[in-house]
Amino acid sequence: GQNIDQPTEMTATEGAIVQINCTYQTSGFNGLFWYQQHAGEAPTFLSYNVLDGLEEKGRFSSFLSRSKGYSYLLLKELQMKDSASYLCAVKGTNAGKSTFGDGTTLTVKP
Amino acid sequence: DAEITQSPRHKITETGRQVTLACHQTWNHNNMFWYRQDLGHGLRLIHYSYGVQDTNKGEVSDGYSVSRSNTEDLPLTLESAASSQTSVYFCASSGYTTGELFFGEGSRLTVL
Repeated sequence: GQNIDQPTEMTATEGAIVQINCTYQTSGFNGLFWYQQHAGEAPTFLSYNVLDGLEEKGRFSSFLSRSKGYSYLLLKELQMKDSASYLCAVKGTNAGKSTFGDGTTLTVKP
Repeated sequence: DAEITQSPRHKITETGRQVTLACHQTWNHNNMFWYRQDLGHGLRLIHYSYGVQDTNKGEVSDGYSVSRSNTEDLPLTLESAASSQTSVYFCASSGYTTGELFFGEGSRLTVL
């Protein structure tokens, strides 16, 4: 089975940096995704890690340590529009079936 | 542009009725998935399909069924709707590279 943990809520200030952690215990691992979901909308893809290390994409970076079952999403230069839920998901097979954590609701304050 | 669409976007029904939620994708993806999302929770997998005539149960499949007669469509049927099935339902598809999911806009179902 899959067990994925991430904090329920986080608050940060506009312009700051925030790190959202995700730990997982899975029976199979073929990659980890981060998705962003604004209230009332569908999730959208942010990042994908399959090898250990840091993947940077603009203001967003994602890190993976497979040996520790740990990932984080780093958001820099926070903007008000970054207020959303961030979902960590583990792909268990190459065919793409993903298991999601409960999500972290990030609130960015002025 | 390729897309994935769901219908209806909102539906209210009564306990015991059969309900079908439609999902249509033009990405030409073989993999399609149905998830449900309840307040304060992440996405839980209901059913999925890796191609035409292939269907598989997810972690919360009881009371739901799917069929895959072509590449583009994966309708989700609630055989006898229950109040516990009040939720937001998301359809998604993925290709063969990273397996990232492309989601539809969601269907909000209320069972009274």
